[in-house]
Amino acid sequence: DAGITQSPRHKVTETGTPVTLRCHQTENHRYMYWYRQDPGHGLRLIHYSYGVKDTDKGEVSDGYSVSRSKTEDFLLTLESATSSQTSVYFCAISEPSIGGYGYTFGSGTRLTVV
Amino acid sequence: RKEVEQDPGPFNVPEGATVAFNCTYSNSASQSFFWYRQDCRKEPKLLMSVYSSGNEDGRFTAQLNRASQYISLLIRDSKLSDSATYLCVVNMNTGFQKLVFGTGTRLLVSP
Repeated sequence: DAGITQSPRHKVTETGTPVTLRCHQTENHRYMYWYRQDPGHGLRLIHYSYGVKDTDKGEVSDGYSVSRSKTEDFLLTLESATSSQTSVYFCAISEPSIGGYGYTFGSGTRLTVV
Repeated sequence: RKEVEQDPGPFNVPEGATVAFNCTYSNSASQSFFWYRQDCRKEPKLLMSVYSSGNEDGRFTAQLNRASQYISLLIRDSKLSDSATYLCVVNMNTGFQKLVFGTGTRLLVSP
């Protein structure tokens, strides 16, 4: 399996605090993505990256920012956490030239905002 | 209309049964199609790609109907271990690789 790890695996935080989730890959894949998964909504794209320092918004980007300073790391920051951001967050990677067009997902981060 | 739609189920079937899931997509320009499997509290994992000519992988058969914009997954001889949520996934071909996920169909296989 592709080397992709997410940290932390679980986090409980208070409303209004900043939170940063980390995605780390060892596959040198060009594309990286952050999704959130909620009951009834499925996986929704928050932000994605197509290279170092190259990022763009997905469909649910409000309240989130990202950074990619190295190929292997993609950080997702909740600037000021709200209860509506309680969710499971998945990072994914892909490299069409190698693995076709499928994604490989990390194990997820369960975030609870209280 | 959602970009990718699936029947959420659950589909409750006995071991050994054949079960089929369908999925519809809205963008006729979509080029790539996949089925992912997601176990409870786990990450989604690629089950199989879906090719225009249809493709088979063991007990699993995927088919694509571009004219009607739907994708199907057929599971034969269901096993208990097939119990999971099956996600229909479409590459919307927006100039970069962007996959759109359906909300999933839950399958429960019972003894």
